[in-house]
Parts: sequence; C-alpha cells; structure tokens
Amino acid sequence: DIQMTQSPSSVSASVGDRVTITCRASQAINNWLAWYQQKPGRAPRLLIYAASDLQSGVPSRFSGSGSGTEFTLTITSLQPEDFATYYCQQASSLFLLTFGGGTKVEMK
Amino acid sequence: EVQLVQSGPEVKKPGESLKISCQGSGYSFSSYWVAWVRQMPGKGLEWMGIIYPGDSDTRYSPSFQGQVTISADKSSRTAYLQWSSLKTSDTAIYYCATTTMTRFFFESWGQGTLVTVSS
Repeated sequence: DIQMTQSPSSVSASVGDRVTITCRASQAINNWLAWYQQKPGRAPRLLIYAASDLQSGVPSRFSGSGSGTEFTLTITSLQPEDFATYYCQQASSLFLLTFGGGTKVEMK
Repeated sequence: EVQLVQSGPEVKKPGESLKISCQGSGYSFSSYWVAWVRQMPGKGLEWMGIIYPGDSDTRYSPSFQGQVTISADKSSRTAYLQWSSLKTSDTAIYYCATTTMTRFFFESWGQGTLVTVSS
C-alpha cells in the first residue's frame, strides 16, 4: 500500500496568515493527489485534484503543488471559514486509495 | 446537480446485521464508481471500497475485505454497505462518494451515516 504522511498534524494560525501543509507519499504517485477540507459534522469537500487543479467553486487562495512523492497545500490569507481539517488522498493505486492522517488548522 | 443522499443514523447491538444506503441523483448513476469511506470518532478518513453500479464490479481495501459487503442496485440508483455481524469497533460515520473524473478524486459526497454499535 502507498502510505501518505501529512505534516504538521495541527497548525495554529491567524486570519490573514499563509498556511502550508505537506503530504509525502511512500512511493512516487506522479500527480495523482487530491486535497480535501472537512469541517466538524460535515462531509469532506474536494479542494484540489491532480495535485494542482482547483476544483470548481473553490476560492483561489487555495493552491496545490508537487509531484512524485512530495506535495503541498497552501492557503494564502487564511479566512475564518478556513479553520478545518485538511486531508490529502492518493489516487495512483487505482483500487488501493489512501488518505493522509489529516492536518487541523486551528485559530491561534 | 449531483446528489448523494444517505440513510439515517443507526444504533445497533454487537452481532446484529446492518445495511446502509446511498442514493444518487442528478447524474448517470450506473456510469460512475461509488466509494465508501469510514471515519471513526475523532479520527481520519479511511477508504473501504468501491463499486461500479453498471456491472457491480467491486473492489475492497485489504483492511475491509471480508468485513463488509458493498453492493448496488442500478434500477433504484442506490449503493449499499452492509455488515453481517457488527462489532463495537464498527462505530463510525460512513460516507459514500462519487466522481465523474477519470481518476478517483471524489467531488461529490453523501452527508454521512452515523452507525453506533453498543451493548
């Protein structure tokens, strides 16, 4: 199985801050990576797919980059509605999908 | 608009059976894979398996193979997740999700079904 390791597991930030979350794959996954946002009591929401493509309706302050084994999700100018938990997910192994452990973005 | 509507919360005892559902609308249900994802209390997301409703081709995560059964009825546009004998460790929220993309990046999710297993 491909293991996905996210860091940090949590980050404290203020409105307006730039936040960067990293996801590392245990083996190369090309650009087959997605990022999701999840708020308490809600289903996950797709933010970024294919490592850097912004899902329709997602604000442009969210961006993704990376290829191979290392990926980042960046939130420029954090907004109040962005406090949530973020997950990466690899889609390289077609029928052996795996998620990262999650990164909680908390208010400082 | 793609919508996935899941069945309501369940409270069960260990050893009981259960089948939860996920009904799709607003798209060609038979033509796109439907996945199931588990989220245990306070924990992260775990991919359980996936089904293609058109021909019921089903694939499981090794962690869930033999523990659950995934099925689908294309006539009612519904996917199912079932257990034959629940354990307390099955207590979790279960989400269904689908995508129209060529890779499994899930842009549409159900609202989740909370399953509580307690004696």
